[in-house]
Amino acid sequence: GAGVSQSPSNKVTEKGKDVELRCDPISGHTALYWYRQSLGQGLEFLIYFQGNSAPDKSGLPSDRFSAERTGGSVSTLTIQRTQQEDSAVYLCASSLTSGVAETQYFGPGTRLLVL
Amino acid sequence: KQEVTQIPAALSVPEGENLVLNCSFTDSAIYNLQWFRQDPGKGLTSLLLIQSSQREQTSGRLNASLDKSSGRSTLYIAASQPGDSATYLCASYSNSGYALNFGKGTSLLVTP
Repeated sequence: GAGVSQSPSNKVTEKGKDVELRCDPISGHTALYWYRQSLGQGLEFLIYFQGNSAPDKSGLPSDRFSAERTGGSVSTLTIQRTQQEDSAVYLCASSLTSGVAETQYFGPGTRLLVL
Repeated sequence: KQEVTQIPAALSVPEGENLVLNCSFTDSAIYNLQWFRQDPGKGLTSLLLIQSSQREQTSGRLNASLDKSSGRSTLYIAASQPGDSATYLCASYSNSGYALNFGKGTSLLVTP
């Protein structure tokens, strides 16, 4: 595709429900990243995929958070038993490879509100 | 963990002014530094990427510099326009080389 796409663009859920956030990276990009932007906070790294593997999951804030990537393309970030502090904008990015000189291209984000 | 700080948090200037946004980082052993623009309700747009071996990068009215020894980067915007109004974020790669560490951004308003 022309750019990184994410769905849904907005999600309102009740505390305790599970949510799934989807990311479609740029075609041909092997590396995919999830970040979270909370109100008043900077963006924080959550998880990174090279192909379908996630070498680094250290940024996931709790075991309620998980992510997978299939076919080296689409990724899904799942939050179980959502809490109000999970409310944030979840951003996905992709890059051609995972090298340090590679520019990361970001999607528009999913705005999650947990009531 | 690399800490990235941006000053000022907000800035308002009249159209036509030249301006400088500042970014500082704690670990001088960075791989590279990237400046992004974020418009309300939208994702991040990469503006400039400065590799660790470079001192500056230019694109149109934008010029970004990198001084690893002092742990600082600046984004210079020449002849500012109302369309430049956005939040500007700087980010450096962590020691892992793939995760970006972001500052909290500078919110810029350029008034006509």
